[in-house]
Amino acid sequence: KNEVEQSPQNLTAQEGEFITINCSYSVGISALHWLQQHPGGGIVSLFMLSSGKKKHGRLIATINIQEKHSSLHITASHPRDSAVYICAVRDSNYQLIWGAGTKLIIKP
Amino acid sequence: EPEVTQTPSHQVTQMGQEVILRCVPISNHLYFYWYRQILGQKVEFLVSFYNNEISEKSEIFDDQFSVERPDGSNFTLKIRSTKLEDSAMYFCASRATGYGSSYGYTFGSGTRLTVV
Repeated sequence: KNEVEQSPQNLTAQEGEFITINCSYSVGISALHWLQQHPGGGIVSLFMLSSGKKKHGRLIATINIQEKHSSLHITASHPRDSAVYICAVRDSNYQLIWGAGTKLIIKP
Repeated sequence: EPEVTQTPSHQVTQMGQEVILRCVPISNHLYFYWYRQILGQKVEFLVSFYNNEISEKSEIFDDQFSVERPDGSNFTLKIRSTKLEDSAMYFCASRATGYGSSYGYTFGSGTRLTVV
């Protein structure tokens, strides 16, 4: 059974800080998603990656398939980045297995 | 950018009542999913749907749940006799056909179901 572990569970930082959220999984996957969930509850897909690194604005996602690990980085963090960030892995059956999420609060 | 649309955004229902949650997936997507998230917990998979039939379902998706694609655009989740523990946020997602890392999921904004 594939487990998805995220760390930290909660993260509070000051505006402008560099943020790193980590995700580890236990078995082989076909892709990994990083998603953002705002207080209203809606889920937005940020990245889907199966190798290397992707960048979108101030967000960077990396994945190391050999180590079964991915990181989400936020540069120059801003209060509007405050949200829950969820890692979800896609197994060979195209099912998503979800992490518990990391609650990020950026203080002004 | 194409969106997955869910209605209603919030529904309150009496225990034992039937509810239908509606989703309009992206028009050229062929795979459809329902997930739920009980407050404070992880998102959980309920069911996947392809080619007008269920392709996979979780243990949560028991006889009280059903899905339907009644026309070419809507994808519905029905809960026949709601229980208090069905209170959750329900997310619909769709995915284009094809294989490879470029075929991601698009999620709806969710329906918050409150059973009282």
